[in-house]
Amino acid sequence: DAGITQSPRHKVTETGTPVTLRCHQTENHRYMYWYRQDPGHGLRLIHYSYGVKDTDKGEVSDGYSVSRSKTEDFLLTLESATSSQTSVYFCAISESPTTSGGSNEQFFGPGTRLTVL
Amino acid sequence: SQQGEEDPQALSIQEGENATMNCSYKTSINNLQWYRQNSGRGLVHLILIRSNEREKHSGRLRVTLDTSKKSSSLLITASRAADTASYFCATDDAGGTSYGKLTFGQGTILTVHP
Repeated sequence: DAGITQSPRHKVTETGTPVTLRCHQTENHRYMYWYRQDPGHGLRLIHYSYGVKDTDKGEVSDGYSVSRSKTEDFLLTLESATSSQTSVYFCAISESPTTSGGSNEQFFGPGTRLTVL
Repeated sequence: SQQGEEDPQALSIQEGENATMNCSYKTSINNLQWYRQNSGRGLVHLILIRSNEREKHSGRLRVTLDTSKKSSSLLITASRAADTASYFCATDDAGGTSYGKLTFGQGTILTVHP
């Protein structure tokens, strides 16, 4: 398995509380991604990063923010959690985008199951 | 919006049979990838096919790509119970700066009965 860990693996929280999920990689890959997975929706991209301090929004970014202060860490924050953010969250990493001639195969972490009551 | 639409949503077969899953997409792509997800786990990359390729093999996997129809298929031959998982197609959409982003389909749930 690629060296990707996510913490916590499980979390139950209450509506309105802030939550931060952490993704840590040991592969020194430049690109990192946060997805959420919900029944009937597959995986949807929340935010992604293309370098330290370089981030951008994905398809479902409302209510989420991210930060990347080091190559190895990508944090996802729910500023004020809502029940609609109950989901399984996956972090993924990639070495290079297609535009550089590389393969943008993504490696996934084990996921974090978040329940917002 | 989802780029990849997969068909069927669920597939149930016996061990030894072949399993075929299809993926359709809407826009031009650089490549199309297939991933597998075992229950409760993260996704695992299976195979990548570039837009200028028509067919690719990897072990018991065969992937085809028809860019004129904007569709791809994944064939798993001689299936095993261990192949039971969800399978997702993902597209690297052409145009602009992708930063390696992928758009995933909703997946096909494959069950292989011993």
